Amino acid sequence: EIVLTQSPGTLSLSPGERATLSCRASHSVHSSFLAWYQQKPGQAPRLLIYGASNRATGIPDRISGSGSGTDFTLAISTLEPEDFAVYYCQQYYASPLTFGGGTKVEIK
Amino acid sequence: EVQLLESGGGLVQPGGSLRLSCEVSGFTFSNYAMSWVRQAPGKGLEWVSSISRDDATYHADFVKGRFTVSRDNSKNTLYLQMNSLRAEDTAVYYCTKRPGAATDGTFDYWGQGTLVTVSS
Repeated sequence: EIVLTQSPGTLSLSPGERATLSCRASHSVHSSFLAWYQQKPGQAPRLLIYGASNRATGIPDRISGSGSGTDFTLAISTLEPEDFAVYYCQQYYASPLTFGGGTKVEIK
Repeated sequence: EVQLLESGGGLVQPGGSLRLSCEVSGFTFSNYAMSWVRQAPGKGLEWVSSISRDDATYHADFVKGRFTVSRDNSKNTLYLQMNSLRAEDTAVYYCTKRPGAATDGTFDYWGQGTLVTVSS
């Protein structure tokens, strides 16, 4: 099983600042089969990024993904009020599909 | 517009059974794989079960032999039959659509979830 470790657990930032979230895999995630999701309180997760760097439909370009192998990053260039949420990474290279533990981006 | 609407959650005693349903609209259900993902209160996300367009099924080890995923394409509905429920199965269960016919890939659309509580 591929274990995904996200860091930091919580990121305290102000609107307008840049957020950088990390996702590290215990084994290489080949072909960059890595996705990112956003979840707001009381809501279902929403797909943001697939293939490590491709934005899903309707996702603004201030949100970007990068990385390969075992190290992946989600960046939000300029935080908007609606970006404060919990973010999860997920690998779909190997079964079972696994998620990281999440990073909470909170208002400082 | 893609919509997934779960139902069937509730309170059940340990050892009991429950069947979750997910009625979908806005896409051709029979062409896509589907999955269930759960989230325990205050915890992260956990893949539970998947079914391909061709009815191949897959389950996480922690539910094998207890949960069964199925689909009825004539009703545009996905199911999760849950037997021998345990306290640790308490979670919000999300119905999710997959991007293609096979069960690999992301979870590109999610329902709003249905809460299952296992407690005496």
